[in-house]
Amino acid sequence: EAGVTQSPTHLIKTRGQQVTLRCSPISGHTSVYWYQQALGLGLQFLLWYDEGEERNRGNFPPRFSGRQFPNYSSELNVNALELEDSALYLCASSASGHQETQYFGPGTRLLVL
Amino acid sequence: QKEVEQDPGPLSVPEGAIVSLNCTYSNSAFQYFMWYRQYSRKGPELLMYTYSSGNKEDGRFTAQVDKSSKYISLFIRDSQPSDSATYLCAMRKTGANNLFFGTGTRLTVIP
Repeated sequence: EAGVTQSPTHLIKTRGQQVTLRCSPISGHTSVYWYQQALGLGLQFLLWYDEGEERNRGNFPPRFSGRQFPNYSSELNVNALELEDSALYLCASSASGHQETQYFGPGTRLLVL
Repeated sequence: QKEVEQDPGPLSVPEGAIVSLNCTYSNSAFQYFMWYRQYSRKGPELLMYTYSSGNKEDGRFTAQVDKSSKYISLFIRDSQPSDSATYLCAMRKTGANNLFFGTGTRLTVIP
């Protein structure tokens, strides 16, 4: 069974630019979660999508947004990039109603210069 | 104060040792407790999941939850060099959906 996949694996952007990260969940999973893992800060919850709807968001500014497609894949968009957005962005998926068992992808490493 | 606290280590042990990894938390609403393992440059991998208090064993791994002390532990028996990774605790509150993570403990098992 294929795991959660993410693309791209690495990305370099400059301040003010915009970026789109992509995630495909495990087959059969309808929930997708996005986390930011900045150096020394641990994983911080960004967004949760389930059945195509945004269900919850963490304490991040509105320039962090996303969506979930009918096939349950998801995109994370970050506008007006700032230096502190440099981090590993992780996507996780779970079966609906099983938020405690989230399975993570390998992440996208974003560097903002 | 962070809701989940975890000693970042690093922790180095000889092969075969018993490893104890711990997290504390401040909010009694946490009911679901997880341990993830993260190898360098990889995403976290779910190791153990427990609900409420008690112990759960899976091979060389034992997860323990003490809700009265707001303290959770992961024990690794007969540690192997392949166990070298960062271990993250995570928790979820009843009725909530997002996980709260500790900052992770970096473990090295020396052959």
